[in-house]
Amino acid sequence: EVQLVESGGGLVQPGGSLKLSCAASGFNFSVSAMQWVRQASGKGLEWVGRIRSKANNYATAYAASVKGRFTISRDDSRNTAYLQMNSLKTEDTAVYYCTRGEDYWGQGTLVTVSS
Amino acid sequence: SYELTQPPSVSVSPGQTARITCSGDALPKKYASWYQQKSGQAPVLVIYEDRKRPSGIPERFSGSSSGTMATLTISGAQVEDEADYYCYSTDSSGNLRLFGGGTKLTVL
Repeated sequence: EVQLVESGGGLVQPGGSLKLSCAASGFNFSVSAMQWVRQASGKGLEWVGRIRSKANNYATAYAASVKGRFTISRDDSRNTAYLQMNSLKTEDTAVYYCTRGEDYWGQGTLVTVSS
Repeated sequence: SYELTQPPSVSVSPGQTARITCSGDALPKKYASWYQQKSGQAPVLVIYEDRKRPSGIPERFSGSSSGTMATLTISGAQVEDEADYYCYSTDSSGNLRLFGGGTKLTVL
């Protein structure tokens, strides 16, 4: 069974940093592209970014709204993907989902950016 | 910047056919996927590569694409199909992904 479990969410002040983790199981993580998607309360889904597999040189891509502030990485030995978020803004407040490609999603972790 | 445009809401009676559209300039060359999100839950993939249905998704869900518009069709919509639906695709470069604004489907 495919499982994706996000962790690391919480309350952080504007300008602060937070690192989210996504622990994967039930599939061949090392060959899978992983992505992050967020959803502010009462709002729609917003694609954050993705990281491809080693075979695709771990290529990353980011939405314009987070480029230069967020970094996606992965540790294939731990079956875990990460989202490092720096220079956080109040508008980054959202539930952050980790997904395997387009098909499987985790349950999300809440990030609140507030003073 | 590139956008995918969906109607904010669609309403049908139980048993009727619901159609939700998604328009985008890159859709003639890029696949669309569709997600269903019920209140308080994570999204679920219901259609990928324009018209393919993942295992476990009821046959009443179908997808199509023509020109700059992709369409999700729910034939014989049921009350349990009430949800927000999002289309998802890529820009013309294939690097950036994006979602449509979402459509709230009401079945009553």
